Amino acid sequence: DAKTTQPPSMDCAEGRAANLPCNHSTISGNEYVYWYRQIHSQGPQYIIHGLKNNETNEMASLIITEDRKSSTLILPHATLRDTAVYYCIVRVILIGSNFGNEKLTFGTGTRLTIIP
Amino acid sequence: DTEVTQTPKHLVMGMTNKKSLKCEQHMGHRAMYWYKQKAKKPPELMFVYSYEKLSINESVPSRFSPECPNSSLLNLHLHALQPEDSALYLCASSQESRLTNEKLFFGSGTQLSVL
Repeated sequence: DAKTTQPPSMDCAEGRAANLPCNHSTISGNEYVYWYRQIHSQGPQYIIHGLKNNETNEMASLIITEDRKSSTLILPHATLRDTAVYYCIVRVILIGSNFGNEKLTFGTGTRLTIIP
Repeated sequence: DTEVTQTPKHLVMGMTNKKSLKCEQHMGHRAMYWYKQKAKKPPELMFVYSYEKLSINESVPSRFSPECPNSSLLNLHLHALQPEDSALYLCASSQESRLTNEKLFFGSGTQLSVL
């Protein structure tokens, strides 16, 4: 899987949009961009993923650049409960006989702190 | 039910003890994972089971022994651990999906302390 680079920490004011960048310059054409977050003392939680197009769900939006070498996770109205470590991961989705043979590798992530 | 349940939540054991961590999911997922996470570090993959068969072992020491008795259960047997094995042990599961929206569901983990 391609490696990702994220800033180690960021602050964001409560109620504002939090924009978390991720560089993945060596991403392959069949690798998806996934975002997970981990709130203190809990397991990681899936947020969103995408391949080429921008994606939006009830938690966040994912903007992927046209060359796919970077992406941004957007939390539109950050709350104190969004304080967490956010991980950007690129991975191939394996199906069929290759299912279960992938190593989902976490990078160091971005520690996002929401300021009241 | 979209939960992965891990028990116990906390475990303290001596270096000569034998203990087991348990993970359970009822989402019909056919891949299950063990991750180890040290404080302030990202999770590190240990094992992957696919259709109850071990598919990935990330060169984990034999004092950690995984077991997948059925598609809903995943155990991690611990024996003769070292203090440096103290960590949060996370279980996850995922469903094979041709719709390409496969994602991992994680449990809350077992915080293990080895004395």
